[in-house]
Amino acid sequence: EGQLLESGGGLVQPGGSLRLSCAASGFTFSREAMTWVRQAPGKGLDWVSVFRSTDNKTYYGDSVKGRFTISRDNSKNMVYLQMNSLTAEDTAIYYCAKGDYYMDVWGQGTMVTVSS
Amino acid sequence: DIQMTQSPSSLSASVGDRVTITCRASQGIRNDLGWYQQKPGKAPKRLISAASTLQSGVPPRFSGSGSGTEFTLTISSLQPEDFATYYCLQLNTYPRTFGQGTKVEIK
Repeated sequence: EGQLLESGGGLVQPGGSLRLSCAASGFTFSREAMTWVRQAPGKGLDWVSVFRSTDNKTYYGDSVKGRFTISRDNSKNMVYLQMNSLTAEDTAIYYCAKGDYYMDVWGQGTMVTVSS
Repeated sequence: DIQMTQSPSSLSASVGDRVTITCRASQGIRNDLGWYQQKPGKAPKRLISAASTLQSGVPPRFSGSGSGTEFTLTISSLQPEDFATYYCLQLNTYPRTFGQGTKVEIK
């Protein structure tokens, strides 16, 4: 089934940047799409981005398009989320998930706080 | 973008009750819908995909139905471990979009 472990969260000032990482194990990483989902404190789930393995295409939610970039390194079983021009509205727990249509494995999440 | 409207936003129910949660899509999404359960402090867990296919290991008291624009998640007999927040997720187009969530609380 696999495991995912996110890292890279922390406190960042408005306008700053942060790169999240997600380490995958226990499955054939290169064959799977990888998705990022976030959740602001006390709020619902917000789909952020996906990197599809079949065609290497990437897609983004409207609130992050143009500011966030998803990438992956199949040799390291890692997926990344580069986040630029951060605002307070980006404060959330960020989860990575295995899959796109079937997100069946999730990490424990990493907290990002955007504040001065 | 496709908007997903989930209702109710919260409900109170007793153990043994039948619970139904509805999700409506702003346009037709065939059966490209998943249901997720989230407990406090935990990552979401997939319950159902393709509107009605139960994830392996999910108890059969959970069921999903619907197609097009209207979908339901039903818990036939609510158990103590089912108190959680439930989300629908449309998987028909990008960007994917979640419903607002339904918090199921103990009456």
